[in-house]
Amino acid sequence: ETGVTQSPTHLIKTRGQQVTLRCSSQSGHNTVSWYQQALGQGPQFIFQYYREEENGRGNFPPRFSGLQFPNYSSELNVNALELDDSALYLCASSLGQGVAANYGYTFGSGTRLTVV
Amino acid sequence: DQQVKQNSPSLSVQEGRISILNCDYTNSMFDYFLWYKKYPAEGPTFLISISSIKDKNEDGRFTVFLNKSAKHLSLHIVPSQPGDSAVYFCAASWGQGAQKLVFGQGTRLTINP
Repeated sequence: ETGVTQSPTHLIKTRGQQVTLRCSSQSGHNTVSWYQQALGQGPQFIFQYYREEENGRGNFPPRFSGLQFPNYSSELNVNALELDDSALYLCASSLGQGVAANYGYTFGSGTRLTVV
Repeated sequence: DQQVKQNSPSLSVQEGRISILNCDYTNSMFDYFLWYKKYPAEGPTFLISISSIKDKNEDGRFTVFLNKSAKHLSLHIVPSQPGDSAVYFCAASWGQGAQKLVFGQGTRLTINP
């Protein structure tokens, strides 16, 4: 059973650029959620994808967008990068809509994005 | 608006003793609470959870207590081991089919030999 894998692990971008982060969900999981973790803070919910449709969104502007593919992998796209977008971006997979009650999510190791 | 708060950024405990990590919440709609553990360069790992209909859940060395009237939960680790050194996050959700978890800021636990 493979876990959640994210790529790349680290990334440096310039303010105003666009970035795409990728996530492969755990085998058997059909739901992917994305979280942003700023330094010294807990993860904050960006959005969730279930069966290729956005299934809930947190308080993030529209320049944060996503996709889920038929194999349940997912992408997070951020346009017009700002310095405050510098953070660890975590992808989490689960089975079914909502938070898996007994086991929570399975998280990947994250992508560290630095915007300069 | 910080709905889930972990007021202790760090905690240091001697090996073999009890570690108690605390978490407070403000949203009375929360009905499910989880604890995650995070090592450096790894994603958070699910540790233990509790439903709001319970006041205690135990799994080996880990016990979570929920006090709904005080909107407070705690994680007890007994006995503490060096491998328990990590950042611990409490998180909450509400409603069946809840899409998101609301996380606290985390507490860095250090177990000293």
